[in-house]
Amino acid sequence: NAGVMQNPRHLVRRRGQEARLRCSPMKGHSHVYWYRQLPEEGLKFMVYLQKENIIDESGMPKERFSAEFPKEGPSILRIQQVVRGDSAAYFCASSRGFQITDTQYFGPGTRLTVL
Amino acid sequence: DAKTTQPPSMDCAEGRAANLPCNHSTISGNEYVYWYRQIHSQGPQYIIHGLKNNETNEMASLIITEDRKSSTLILPHATLRDTAVYYCIVRVLGDSNYQLIWGAGTKLIIKP
Repeated sequence: NAGVMQNPRHLVRRRGQEARLRCSPMKGHSHVYWYRQLPEEGLKFMVYLQKENIIDESGMPKERFSAEFPKEGPSILRIQQVVRGDSAAYFCASSRGFQITDTQYFGPGTRLTVL
Repeated sequence: DAKTTQPPSMDCAEGRAANLPCNHSTISGNEYVYWYRQIHSQGPQYIIHGLKNNETNEMASLIITEDRKSSTLILPHATLRDTAVYYCIVRVLGDSNYQLIWGAGTKLIIKP
């Protein structure tokens, strides 16, 4: 039973390029969450999606960041025109539901480095 | 802001029980306590969660005080692979209960 999959594991981009991070949830999970972790800090919530719907994007920067979870395929976190401050680890989590007792399981993360 | 307070770091000898405390004095009646850990550079790993009763699984035990203002995660026989940052998280009620609010956690170092 595969866990949450994320790819790529490491991504290097130059300033101004686009970064695409992919997340495949655990089997049977239709709720996906993205978190960002800066060095030496805890994770920060970015966005919560269900299939084809963005439920809460209150943690996303207003510009350059977008997320989707299409009917078929993985969830995508897209960062346009990356800047050095976007360098971080991005983690995806999935769950069966959104209730307080629905455990979120995390993927291995994508480490984005912006040169 | 995180609703929990944890010591920044702890040491434990290999083979001994590691007891990690967490204060959550403002917890509400139906809010759950979750524990995750993050081994260096890896994704957070779910450990255990509980409401008011003590819980045990194959990884750890969770002891919640009767007033629910604090809890302790117990790793019964710590190994070197248990060295990690341990996060105690209160799942808050309300519309945004799915947002996990992460504090700084406790850096647990298991020593041989």
